[in-house]
Amino acid sequence: SQELEQSPQSLIVQEGKNLTINCTSSKTLYGLYWYKQKYGEGLIFLMMLQKGGEEKSHEKITAKLDEKKQQSSLHITASQPSHAGIYLCGAANRTASKLTFGTGTRLQVTL
Amino acid sequence: GAVVSQHPSWVICKSGTSVKIECRSLDFQATTMFWYRQFPKQSLMLMATSNEGSKATYEQGVEKDKFLINHASLTLSTLTVTSAHPEDSSFYICSAQRLSGNTIYFGEGSWLTVV
Repeated sequence: SQELEQSPQSLIVQEGKNLTINCTSSKTLYGLYWYKQKYGEGLIFLMMLQKGGEEKSHEKITAKLDEKKQQSSLHITASQPSHAGIYLCGAANRTASKLTFGTGTRLQVTL
Repeated sequence: GAVVSQHPSWVICKSGTSVKIECRSLDFQATTMFWYRQFPKQSLMLMATSNEGSKATYEQGVEKDKFLINHASLTLSTLTVTSAHPEDSSFYICSAQRLSGNTIYFGEGSWLTVV
């Protein structure tokens, strides 16, 4: 079965600082999704990556999928308190849309 | 706005009773929906795949008779926790895939507390 490891597990950054979250898969990724969650609430879709080397950006968040399609990174530029939450990466299997989730990264942004 | 909606957001039930949670895709049809469970401070664990018009597919270790799934229409899947016990208390969340674009959307989640 596929396993996703996220690092770091938790992160505290000062407002305005940049940060990166990594997601490493034990198998080739067919599709990699990034979500943000506030504890006890639903998941907010951030980005989906499918092609090796693909990079997508939305506002101050950039996600990349490496060429070998076994690792993805999520980069936040000039972090704000609104970026605080739990970031989850999810790997889609080849034929269906069910996701295997990473361990999650808890982000806190201090003033 | 939300494209996948769950109801109820919060539910408290007594031990031994059953409770139903609904998952609706609001502006698209979903032949497949997924149910996840999330324990405090942990990631999401897939429970089952809900298939419209056919039986659900359960992940290993998930009791079929405990967690009944019905996908009666292309926009609605229901999860019924039968004979609930306090250990079933958890956050349950569903997802559905919009076929145009492959984006997978999640519902807002449902908190179940069994007392």
